[in-house]
Amino acid sequence: DVKVTQSSRYLVKRTGEKVFLECVQDMDHENMFWYRQDPGLGLRLIYFSYDVKMKEKGDIPEGYSVSREKKERFSLILESASTNQTSMYLCASNGGTGHTNSYNEQFFGPGTRLTVL
Amino acid sequence: KQEVTQIPAALSVPEGENLVLNCSFTDSAIYNLQWFRQDPGKGLTSLLLIQSSQREQTSGRLNASLDKSSGRSTLYIAASQPGDSATYLCAVPSETSYDKVIFGPGTSLSVIP
Repeated sequence: DVKVTQSSRYLVKRTGEKVFLECVQDMDHENMFWYRQDPGLGLRLIYFSYDVKMKEKGDIPEGYSVSREKKERFSLILESASTNQTSMYLCASNGGTGHTNSYNEQFFGPGTRLTVL
Repeated sequence: KQEVTQIPAALSVPEGENLVLNCSFTDSAIYNLQWFRQDPGKGLTSLLLIQSSQREQTSGRLNASLDKSSGRSTLYIAASQPGDSATYLCAVPSETSYDKVIFGPGTSLSVIP
């Protein structure tokens, strides 16, 4: 079974702190994603990575950066956390085009509930 | 631009009832469609992935159908149980990037014992 893990289930940080959220997948997937989920706004894509060191902005990249130094690991960085970044953060991965005919089947981690005070 | 909607937004049923959740999408040129379940405060769990060449996909008490021409998919849950209470989301590939998906807003299901 595909396993996607996230470094923390709950995190409380102060405004202005630098925050690192880490995600690891064990299925050799090409693509990894970071989403945030807020009530009434659904799932919104922050960043997408299609290969090591390759990234693409999603719908709401402002205030975030990402790092993918190894294929299995994708980190989301909040350079200076703000209260409006309080949210549920979800990491996902999929095999990518050509992996199988279920190339874009998404597998999610358990989520990190981040509170910024 | 691909848009995904789900109706109803919330549904409450008595235990044992069969029910149908709906998912609609605007661009019918999709490769597949995925259904997820999300429990409160948790990540999404993949339930079913139905390919465009299939019309149905079944897993236990769940059956998903796909009608590309009408831009619709349904998730049928047989003999509902309180443990089925969760939010159910559908997702289709983005029309601009095959590797990304577009999610619907979800249907919140409550099964009353």
